[in-house]
Amino acid sequence: LAKTTQPISMDSYEGQEVNITCSHNNIATNDYITWYQQFPSQGPRFIIQGYKTKVTNEVASLFIPADRKSSTLSLPRVSLSDTAVYYCLVGDYNQGGKLIFGQGTELSVKP
Amino acid sequence: EPEVTQTPSHQVTQMGQEVILRCVPISNHLYFYWYRQILGQKVEFLVSFYNNEISEKSEIFDDQFSVERPDGSNFTLKIRSTKLEDSAMYFCASSEASGTYSAENEQFFGPGTRLTVL
Repeated sequence: LAKTTQPISMDSYEGQEVNITCSHNNIATNDYITWYQQFPSQGPRFIIQGYKTKVTNEVASLFIPADRKSSTLSLPRVSLSDTAVYYCLVGDYNQGGKLIFGQGTELSVKP
Repeated sequence: EPEVTQTPSHQVTQMGQEVILRCVPISNHLYFYWYRQILGQKVEFLVSFYNNEISEKSEIFDDQFSVERPDGSNFTLKIRSTKLEDSAMYFCASSEASGTYSAENEQFFGPGTRLTVL
């Protein structure tokens, strides 16, 4: 399973766009890239998932370059409630769905 | 919106005692998981379960741990003889499937059970 590397922490202000980049140099051909969000004392919550190019949903966008060795989670116009830890995971869903969480990026949104 | 539930929210036990953590996954989901998170650390995979058997487990999931789906709705994690280092938050998760479509393999996590071993 590919290992991920992401910044340990990031600071932002309300209303700004936040981009968190994750590197996964050894991603396998059939691996998907998934992002989860975790608030203190809560379970992780799925944000977005993609395989290549760009994926957008109601809360975020995920940009994946052609070589798939990295991906960027983009949160538009963050608010204080987006303060959380964000995890990038690559997973081979043909292996029982096991998720390997990295250390995550602790995003702090300030007023 | 359907959700994964876990009981109890907090369990305190003495070292060496057995504990059973309970989870009710989302009803139409087929894959079930347990994770743990030691305070201040990352989430760690323990085990995945499908079709009444373990499909994958981590090195953390040793002989002290077992999982069971006793009645078609509950999914339990048993720790036979707890150690101090078992103190952590334990999360249960479930997913519709483990295929290649994101709608299937999105894992829904419960609120967790905080286990404190004294």
